[in-house]
Amino acid sequence: AQKVTQAQTEISVVEKEDVTLDCVYETRDTTYYLFWYKQPPSGELVFLIRRNSFDEQNEISGRYSWNFQKSTSSFNFTITASQVVDSAVYFCALGSSWGKLQFGAGTQVVVTP
Amino acid sequence: NAGVTQTPKFQVLKTGQSMTLQCAQDMNHEYMSWYRQDPGMGLRLIHYSVGAGITDQGEVPNGYNVSRSTTEDFPLRLLSAAPSQTSVYFCASTDRNLGTDTQYFGPGTRLTVL
Repeated sequence: AQKVTQAQTEISVVEKEDVTLDCVYETRDTTYYLFWYKQPPSGELVFLIRRNSFDEQNEISGRYSWNFQKSTSSFNFTITASQVVDSAVYFCALGSSWGKLQFGAGTQVVVTP
Repeated sequence: NAGVTQTPKFQVLKTGQSMTLQCAQDMNHEYMSWYRQDPGMGLRLIHYSVGAGITDQGEVPNGYNVSRSTTEDFPLRLLSAAPSQTSVYFCASTDRNLGTDTQYFGPGTRLTVL
């Protein structure tokens, strides 16, 4: 069975602080995909990143960066110099080759000015 | 490209009523899925389809039916609505091009069952 754990329910930071969201996953598949989605207060799901299980390179996109470590089954997400617009719920998800996603419970990020 | 569209955006039902949530995509994606989102539980897979004429159950299929007669459409039917089905429903389609397996989500349908 697949499982995704986001242990942090809510994180509150002041603008310009860095924030790291933890994601730990469990799977028996050798090929799998990891995702991060953002859900702003408006409710839509915004795709942020996809990672293949065979590609452990870390990735940076603007103020966002991701650290994928197969040895610890973790796929953590860091927002650098947070802004109020980053306030949202962030979901980590694990996908099989069939495109079915197992989501974590989500982490609410609150950025105050 | 409209992407993934869902109708209606909001719906209120009485217990026992039936209805169909519509989902359509114009990206020629093979895979489509339905999820429900409940507070504190993330999204859970209800049903999915790997192509026209092929559907299968996800994690929480009870009380829901699906069919896939075309590549574009994947409606979700509530047979006899119950208060436990109050939730936000998301439809998704998957881009299998070059094995990316990235899912694109519709805007969601907020359903309340009284």
